[in-house]
Amino acid sequence: QVQLVQSGAEVKKPGASVTVSCTASGYTFTAYYMHWVRQAPGQGLEYMGMINPTGGAGYPQRFQGRLTVTRDTSTTTVYMELSSLTSEDTAMYYCAREAPDSGGFDFWGQGTLVTVSS
Amino acid sequence: QSALTQAASVSGSPGQSITISCTGTSSDIGTHNLVSWYQHHPGKAPKLMIYEANRRPSGVSNRFSGSKSGNTASLTISGLQAEDEADYFCCSYSSSATSYVFGSGTKVTVL
Repeated sequence: QVQLVQSGAEVKKPGASVTVSCTASGYTFTAYYMHWVRQAPGQGLEYMGMINPTGGAGYPQRFQGRLTVTRDTSTTTVYMELSSLTSEDTAMYYCAREAPDSGGFDFWGQGTLVTVSS
Repeated sequence: QSALTQAASVSGSPGQSITISCTGTSSDIGTHNLVSWYQHHPGKAPKLMIYEANRRPSGVSNRFSGSKSGNTASLTISGLQAEDEADYFCCSYSSSATSYVFGSGTKVTVL
């Protein structure tokens, strides 16, 4: 069965960086996109970026220069690194799988809470 | 500020049908069929309910249906049940953003 298991909660100080991992199992890792989505307290879902089946990453403009998504095919793990953290980055972060060109994120990780506080 | 506009809340009685709308632009919903809908219960991961505007993943109740017309996508829930009470988000690929964008979310309340 498909599973996406994320790393545990993080507490960071403003200006620091955070890395969240997402380990996939139960499917062909290199055949799917992996996306990152976050939800700040009391807010809606926000799209952050993705890594495609060939390992290329893409980010919306608001995250370019601050977000890096990478993967390790040997461990079927995707990493999301967000730098220059501020309190506005306090949120639940999710990884989510997409079959190529389906437009649907069909499996999601359990979420990782990142808290940014001085 | 979300790129896709949704009503903040929609309510209905058990057994009724409700429709949630998601309004975008010609750069996203109007051009792409990569429109999806997610059900989100607090404290849980979002769940895919509709993809490619009107396709339902296996395991999702046929009470959920999706459609698209012009720059607006819609999710209809028929035979409303208490368990349908949740937040619902639309999502579309955007050519102008060259990324996916989410709607602002609609809270569905079952009266």
